[in-house]
Amino acid sequence: GNSVTQMEGPVTLSEEAFLTINCTYTATGYPSLFWYVQYPGEGLQLLLKATKADDKGSNKGFEATYRKETTSFHLEKGSVQVSDSAVYFCALRPRDGQNFVFGPGTRLSVLP
Amino acid sequence: DAGVIQSPRHEVTEMGQEVTLRCKPISGHNSLFWYRQTMMRGLELLIYFNNNVPIDDSGMPEDRFSAKMPNASFSTLKIQPSEPRDSAVYFCASSFREGSQETQYFGPGTRLLVL
Repeated sequence: GNSVTQMEGPVTLSEEAFLTINCTYTATGYPSLFWYVQYPGEGLQLLLKATKADDKGSNKGFEATYRKETTSFHLEKGSVQVSDSAVYFCALRPRDGQNFVFGPGTRLSVLP
Repeated sequence: DAGVIQSPRHEVTEMGQEVTLRCKPISGHNSLFWYRQTMMRGLELLIYFNNNVPIDDSGMPEDRFSAKMPNASFSTLKIQPSEPRDSAVYFCASSFREGSQETQYFGPGTRLLVL
């Protein structure tokens, strides 16, 4: 079946630190991959996506590269800010018509 | 576009009462999803509609839960009777389903507390 695994949180970093949140997936075929972010008290917002192998999604300084060989889509940011504190969800959309599958989310706290 | 609209934003009710959550998807989207989020279970898909037709309701926890989509611009999720364990944040999301380019857009959620 299809599944998404994310690193356990919470992740606590100091401002300007480098961020990596690991995401690996299991899927039939070649899914589209997504990162969503949820700020406190709000719904999920699309952060970035990639639809085929070796694609790099990027937005707001965040990047993730679709790695088919390692079935991974790790989220990175070179210098985090306090405003990046949120829960980050990795998700996949299979190509066979099945629905989105979300990971459990990783909570990030950035301290000033 | 105003995005996905949900109402109410907060609901507090007593056990046994009926609760109705409402959602207006983004205009032009043909798929609508209801999710439930709790600390214990994370984000769970309850049901989704495609072109107003329920496609998969396997995530609906039990018969107390029902969802309808009478037209392309409105959906409801009803809990009757409600129980304390239904307390959660309920999200509605919509998308335009076309191949692998689909992206889901979430509403702000309804925070439900059943006492």
